[in-house]
Amino acid sequence: DAGVIQSPRHEVTEMGQEVTLRCKPISGHDYLFWYRQTMMRGLELLIYFNNNVPIDDSGMPEDRFSAKMPNASFSTLKIQPSEPRDSAVYFCASTGANVLTFGAGSRLTVL
Amino acid sequence: AQSVTQLGSHVSVSEGALVLLRCNYSSSVPPYLFWYVQYPNQGLQLLLKYTSAATLVKGINGFEAEFKKSETSFHLTKPSAHMSDAAEYFCAVSGGTASKLTFGTGTRLQVTL
Repeated sequence: DAGVIQSPRHEVTEMGQEVTLRCKPISGHDYLFWYRQTMMRGLELLIYFNNNVPIDDSGMPEDRFSAKMPNASFSTLKIQPSEPRDSAVYFCASTGANVLTFGAGSRLTVL
Repeated sequence: AQSVTQLGSHVSVSEGALVLLRCNYSSSVPPYLFWYVQYPNQGLQLLLKYTSAATLVKGINGFEAEFKKSETSFHLTKPSAHMSDAAEYFCAVSGGTASKLTFGTGTRLQVTL
């Protein structure tokens, strides 16, 4: 199993641009999570899905953030428009058998 | 609701010394507890988990943790630190499943010669 796969690993963009982060969870896992990690706030849960359905998006900071999971093997996190304060590492994770497995993360820098 | 508190954002030990990273939890239901490790520029990796079975849990890389309900603690230990243990360690709690974890703020472990 290749684990949780995230792309891109690094993204540098300018303020106001749209950013799309992608995630492929582990096959068979029925929960998918998006986290954001910054020095100031640590690890924050943004949103999570169960069987492709969003369950809790209370951690999504603003309407500029949106997430979708069109099928069991793919999810996106979109930021439009991006701002410098969105610079962070974004992690996708999926869970099965009581183990949360993380991807390697997408490091976003917004100039 | 669940929460965890990690005491000490930075811990420094000598190579070969005991590692002790502290975690206290709060949970309104019997908790599931986890320790994760994060190496630089990588995602979080599960070290060990407690899911209401044995209170002493052994994990990877020689780490273990003991669930103490009376102290609401789940401290992480390793008898002898190795240079490769230098990383950030996160304690996490969930309310009975692994479906939604709440993470602590992390403890950065430094290992010196």
